[in-house]
Amino acid sequence: AQSVAQPEDQVNVAEGNPLTVKCTYSVSGNPYLFWYVQYPNRGLQFLLKYITGDNLVKGSYGFEAEFNKSQTSFHLKKPSALVSDSALYFCAVRPDRGSTLGRLYFGRGTQLTVWP
Amino acid sequence: DTAVSQTPKYLVTQMGNDKSIKCEQNLGHDTMYWYKQDSKKFLKIMFSYNNKELIINETVPNRFSPKSPDKAHLNLHINSLELGDSAVYFCASSQEQGGQGHSPLHFGNGTRLTVT
Repeated sequence: AQSVAQPEDQVNVAEGNPLTVKCTYSVSGNPYLFWYVQYPNRGLQFLLKYITGDNLVKGSYGFEAEFNKSQTSFHLKKPSALVSDSALYFCAVRPDRGSTLGRLYFGRGTQLTVWP
Repeated sequence: DTAVSQTPKYLVTQMGNDKSIKCEQNLGHDTMYWYKQDSKKFLKIMFSYNNKELIINETVPNRFSPKSPDKAHLNLHINSLELGDSAVYFCASSQEQGGQGHSPLHFGNGTRLTVT
């Protein structure tokens, strides 16, 4: 069965400190990997994705994510957190690389709180 | 311009009623989705349509019936509403054809359905 795990329901970090939001996955083949962010009362917004190549991908708002194939992880990172980064973050995987009509499997989300 | 718009934003109704949620996207995408987000923020796909054709139909009660009159619209009709249907319903779209399977999803801001 395909699954995505975000082991931390909550991550708290002080403004200016680095942040990491963890994601591991269990899917067949070589999936595409995504991070989305959800602000209160809003829909999800795309942050970044891993397709192939360099294991470190850069995305919106200074976020980046590191793909680790051996650990089947795709952790979201930011060198210096901002209070405005406080939101709900979702990791997602798409296992059907060969199909254009596959589906996204979402993790359960991690609430990031950045303290001033 | 709103890329993916849903109406209504809030919907409060009584058990047993029938209600509809409408979704429109102006991105020119060929695929649209309905997702359900429960009170614990877990996201689950319900349906997806590609060029008006039903592609994904998860294990959803047949009280839920999607309708796609054209590529830009995907509506959700719910019959005989139950308490457990209370959730936030998100519409999303993506461009699958030519996207090689890694086009990000664009989400609407959700419809908060409360069944009393």
